[in-house]
Amino acid sequence: NAGVTQTPKFRILKIGQSMTLQCTQDMNHNYMYWYRQDPGMGLKLIYYSVGAGITDKGEVPNGYNVSRSTTEDFPLRLELAAPSQTSVYFCASSYGGMENTEAFFGQGTRLTVV
Amino acid sequence: KQEVTQIPAALSVPEGENLVLNCSFTDSAIYNLQWFRQDPGKGLTSLLLIQSSQREQTSGRLNASLDKSSGRSTLYIAASQPGDSATYLCAVRPLTGANSKLTFGKGITLSVRP
Repeated sequence: NAGVTQTPKFRILKIGQSMTLQCTQDMNHNYMYWYRQDPGMGLKLIYYSVGAGITDKGEVPNGYNVSRSTTEDFPLRLELAAPSQTSVYFCASSYGGMENTEAFFGQGTRLTVV
Repeated sequence: KQEVTQIPAALSVPEGENLVLNCSFTDSAIYNLQWFRQDPGKGLTSLLLIQSSQREQTSGRLNASLDKSSGRSTLYIAASQPGDSATYLCAVRPLTGANSKLTFGKGITLSVRP
């Protein structure tokens, strides 16, 4: 039962570097999401996708990009990392049908930009 | 814009106590509400999902209720144990569609004292 898998678990980036946070799910879910969680601020939606080839911005998309070439994978790309992107990133997925939209989360990626 | 509030931010109780965690939301046009648990440094684990047509859901010692008209949900934990210590978050999905995004509260950090 893999569920939602995120890699890496931890990463330290220097300002201006780029990286991709990987997310994959094996539940055949249509909907996938990227959130960031900052202390005392709750979870903020960065990007989401309702299916392969379809993505849309959330509340805080600036500085990030996503792609959804397959149902399983939803990578999050950080270009030109900034200290403000220091956060814990969570990927989530849900089936999205009319009856069951329960969301499942990965274990998170803790990113520090120095 | 939907806002989800969880008060207090932190709660400490002795073991064995029955307790209620509150969640309020400003827009009653929700599709469903989900309660999550988050352990320190970990991802979110889904506890209970309540559809807008339901009044409550139960899982073991947990019972979640939903009063959509008043914009409130409660998570009742019976006979609390030290292992229940975690942060509990509620999230609502708006009525605008199953593919719409979860809005989270900031969570309540619960500490159960032995």
